[in-house]
Amino acid sequence: DVKVTQSSRYLVKRTGEKVFLECVQDMDHENMFWYRQDPGLGLRLIYFSYDVKMKEKGDIPEGYSVSREKKERFSLILESASTNQTSMYLCASRVGTINTEAFFGQGTRLTVV
Amino acid sequence: AQKVTQAQTEISVVEKEDVTLDCVYETRDTTYYLFWYKQPPSGELVFLIRRNSFDEQNEISGRYSWNFQKSTSSFNFTITASQVVDSAVYFCALRGDFGNEKLTFGTGTRLTIIP
Repeated sequence: DVKVTQSSRYLVKRTGEKVFLECVQDMDHENMFWYRQDPGLGLRLIYFSYDVKMKEKGDIPEGYSVSREKKERFSLILESASTNQTSMYLCASRVGTINTEAFFGQGTRLTVV
Repeated sequence: AQKVTQAQTEISVVEKEDVTLDCVYETRDTTYYLFWYKQPPSGELVFLIRRNSFDEQNEISGRYSWNFQKSTSSFNFTITASQVVDSAVYFCALRGDFGNEKLTFGTGTRLTIIP
């Protein structure tokens, strides 16, 4: 089975902190994604990566950056956390062909106080 | 731009009733891919089905069935004889053709099955 693992299930950080959310997948998938999920808004794409060292902005990249130094790992970085970044963050990965589904991690619920 | 609309925010049905979750999409791509995911209370999204735009055949998998109608840009999901374990949030999603890798989600429908 495909396994997408997010480093933390719950996180509490202070405003202004630099926050790292880590995601690792074990199936050699080329594509990886970071979404945030908020009530009434569904899932919104923050960033995605086609392959190592490649990244593209999604719909809501402001306040975030990403890093993909190795194929299996995709990190989401909040440079200076703010309270409006309190959310559920979901990582996903997919084989790099167009007709495949994405597999999701269990999510990280981040609270910024 | 592509868009997915799930107009039903919340649905409650009594166990064993049938229920249909609606999904309407917009895209300019002639080739595209539609998906349904289930998010149980544990939080992890579980893939249910993928449908290609060039394949309008409906699909049945046990108690689940999907009705894809290109003419109305809809990809509806029906659960027959619902069970309490079907309680979850269900998301419909759309992906475009090459060069349009983004997977766009609807806002989800929270389904509650009442025992």
